[in-house]
Amino acid sequence: EVQLVESGGGLVQPGGSLRLSCAASGFSFSSYGMNWVRQAPGKGLEWLSYISSSSSNIYYADSVKGRFTISRDNAKNSLYLQMNSLRDEDTAVYYCARGQWRDVFDIWGQGTTVTVSS
Amino acid sequence: QAVLTQPSSLSASPGASASLTCTLRSGINVRTYRIYWYQQKPGSPPQFLLRYNSDSDKQQGSGVPSRFSGSKDASANAGILLISGVQSEDEADYYCMIWHSSASVFGGGTKLTVL
Repeated sequence: EVQLVESGGGLVQPGGSLRLSCAASGFSFSSYGMNWVRQAPGKGLEWLSYISSSSSNIYYADSVKGRFTISRDNAKNSLYLQMNSLRDEDTAVYYCARGQWRDVFDIWGQGTTVTVSS
Repeated sequence: QAVLTQPSSLSASPGASASLTCTLRSGINVRTYRIYWYQQKPGSPPQFLLRYNSDSDKQQGSGVPSRFSGSKDASANAGILLISGVQSEDEADYYCMIWHSSASVFGGGTKLTVL
């Protein structure tokens, strides 16, 4: 079964850091680009970042550029999102999604919740 | 002005057709963009429904019924998701998306209520 499972969410204070993980299974992870998308409570979807299959191409949304870092470990079939300098407005459910650059997000994880609050 | 604008809500009766619009900001021509549509039910992640650029360039999501289809209205500069024969299980939030200026951009979503 093709599956993405996020982890690492939790409660963090403003200015703090958190590292999210996304474990992939059921497909050749190293052949696919991957993305992070988030959804604030009661709000719509916001794309955050993309990383190509070999990590050679990386893109970020302006809202997280300089604060968030996407990475992957193909040997571990895992995707990561390092989040620094967290703000209240970063509170959201964070999803990893499979998808090549400028193409469809065809597989989504169940999401992990990040709450930024003092 | 947002890149993609969707009506916040829409209601439809079972068996009727529902047309969900996704209007592109002035200056962004719908003719040159693939429009992606996602469905999200409460408590669940989004699911890919379909991609539409033209009748010769389109993609249906895996397992997505054919009653979901896409089109464009160039005069309105909009992408359209048409649901034919709406069913109660179609009650959900629907998001359109495009790739624009090296970023993926989502519309604000339309909540479809099946009355």
